[in-house]
Amino acid sequence: NAGVTQTPKFQVLKTGQSMTLQCAQDMNHEYMSWYRQDPGMGLRLIHYSVGAGITDQGEVPNGYNVSRSTTEDFPLRLLSAAPSQTSVYFCASTETGAPGNTIYFGEGSWLTVV
Amino acid sequence: AQSVSQHNHHVILSEAASLELGCNYSYGGTVNLFWYVQYPGQHLQLLLKYFSGDPLVKGIKGFEAEFIKSKFSFNLRKPSVQWSDTAEYFCAVNANNQGGKLIFGQGTELSVKP
Repeated sequence: NAGVTQTPKFQVLKTGQSMTLQCAQDMNHEYMSWYRQDPGMGLRLIHYSVGAGITDQGEVPNGYNVSRSTTEDFPLRLLSAAPSQTSVYFCASTETGAPGNTIYFGEGSWLTVV
Repeated sequence: AQSVSQHNHHVILSEAASLELGCNYSYGGTVNLFWYVQYPGQHLQLLLKYFSGDPLVKGIKGFEAEFIKSKFSFNLRKPSVQWSDTAEYFCAVNANNQGGKLIFGQGTELSVKP
């Protein structure tokens, strides 16, 4: 089982560049989300989706765009990278919003903006 | 707004010592509670979760947690830690039917000395 797959694992960007972090899951999960992890702050929700064609903002959405054209894929786009976006990014998925469903995380994408 | 607070940022223990990591949350409604572990350089793994039933929850690797509703707490315990438990531990909460929208605590780094 592939689970939640994120690419790339490591990326260095220059300020102002754009890029897309890819996330795919093969479990037919409805819910997908993106988090960023920063030292001393835990993980914070960037965007999430409750199904294909439906997205919404999380706690820290500024500077990021998402789309959900298929159930499997949930890419995260950085429109104009800034050093403040240097972080580790995790994609997650869960079957539905029902209580008790396990949330699965990808292995993370380490992004450095210089 | 929901929030999660982990009392200890860094805990250092010797092998065989007992562990208790504190977690408090603020939310007035029904919540689901989680503890995740992140080993160095790896993604998050679920240790245990609570969503209903017995407030004492047993997870993997000998960990357990107790949900005390009156104290809004969900502390993680292990009677005897091992060097391999060295990792960062995250408490997280989501409101009922909120799917992948987890609110994380700041994390507690556990170092176990052999």
